[in-house]
Amino acid sequence: DAGITQSPRHKVTETGTPVTLRCHQTENHRYMYWYRQDPGHGLRLIHYSYGVKDTDKGEVSDGYSVSRSKTEDFLLTLESATSSQTSVYFCAISETGATNYGYTFGSGTRLTVV
Amino acid sequence: AQSVAQPEDQVNVAEGNPLTVKCTYSVSGNPYLFWYVQYPNRGLQFLLKYITGDNLVKGSYGFEAEFNKSQTSFHLKKPSALVSDSALYFCAVRDSGYNKLIFGAGTRLAVHP
Repeated sequence: DAGITQSPRHKVTETGTPVTLRCHQTENHRYMYWYRQDPGHGLRLIHYSYGVKDTDKGEVSDGYSVSRSKTEDFLLTLESATSSQTSVYFCAISETGATNYGYTFGSGTRLTVV
Repeated sequence: AQSVAQPEDQVNVAEGNPLTVKCTYSVSGNPYLFWYVQYPNRGLQFLLKYITGDNLVKGSYGFEAEFNKSQTSFHLKKPSALVSDSALYFCAVRDSGYNKLIFGAGTRLAVHP
């Protein structure tokens, strides 16, 4: 989607290796989010950020860490990947203006841990 | 805690018939409600939202949703289904704490010719 990009789009990694996913926005929005999508669970929040260096845990944060050193970048790190972290990961930003309140999602990263 | 329920895993509809995808929510304060659609191997596309105002919200691709405060529901509807509407549909509600979006588990819509 315009204004938000995720990289890589696909990744296969081995169990036990660290993995970092990147979310980049050009909209200068304060709030950014990482979700994972799994069948039967919808999208579940992993971590979120409400400003540079301001982050907090979501519903399913175990095994994940995040960093936000610049407004435009929000990184998700799997410290030691496990097969249970095989999933599709989505980044999102939110627009909080009164007239255009909403959320924009990236195209997703399909991660496979073997 | 805020939550969203989509009681149907799958909805089957014949092309040309009306469709409804159900959503109920639990939230403190005024709800901000959203519907998204996901086509196979694609990201999430915004369909419509309710923030305030008219309870009947019109969105993309001919979809609409009705906000019902007393029943805490926000069902997605379309008067005449198309085969191309077949996709995964997500209802979501905003958690006012840090603007988080809470999703339902999703409903798969299958429209048959």
